[in-house]
Amino acid sequence: EVKVVESGGGLVQPGGSLRLSCAASGFTISGYWMNWVRQAPEKGLEWVANIYSGGSQKNYVDFVKGRFTISGDNAKDSLYLEMNSLRAEDTAVYYCARSLGYCSGGGCSNWFDSWGQGTLVTVSS
Amino acid sequence: AIQLTQSPSSLSASVGDRVTITCRASQGISSALAWYQQKPGIAPKLLIHDASTLESGVPSRFSGSGSGTDFTLTISSLQPEDFSTYYCQQFTTYPPTFGQGTKLEI
Repeated sequence: EVKVVESGGGLVQPGGSLRLSCAASGFTISGYWMNWVRQAPEKGLEWVANIYSGGSQKNYVDFVKGRFTISGDNAKDSLYLEMNSLRAEDTAVYYCARSLGYCSGGGCSNWFDSWGQGTLVTVSS
Repeated sequence: AIQLTQSPSSLSASVGDRVTITCRASQGISSALAWYQQKPGIAPKLLIHDASTLESGVPSRFSGSGSGTDFTLTISSLQPEDFSTYYCQQFTTYPPTFGQGTKLEI
């Protein structure tokens, strides 16, 4: 069974740091893009970052560039998100999600097929 | 970034009804659209990818259609467990984006 489990959330003061972890089972992360997607309280879904094959490729949404760092450990089948300079607007449930997809002549198509239960990050003084 | 606009934002319906949710993209995305269902306090669940491909295990009362900029999610006969929030999502270019959600209520 494909499963991902997040941990590491909590309460942090503005300007502080936090490291989230995601443990995968039922598959090896080295062959997949792994993502962080967040959801602020009572709000919609927002993609944050992704990584492929333990770090050979990484992408970030603009509003976290320079503050968040995604990394992976293929040997542990684990994904991480190091979050620095946290702001109140970073308060959200952070989900780890695997994405699947392909590229063809018509372009690329990707989707998130497996999600963890989420871990809550609260940035507040 | 490609913007996705869902309509309506909320919808009231009854068990047995047929409902349709629309997602419009700010630029053409071919058929690279997915739909998710989310219940309160629970992670989203993939329903459909590539606009119309039903994910394994998803009931056949769910269907999707569309290409280019206009897409629809249809539930042919609402069941009690379908009352949730639904999101569309594109990931053909970075950054991946989601629609704002449609809350389906009894």
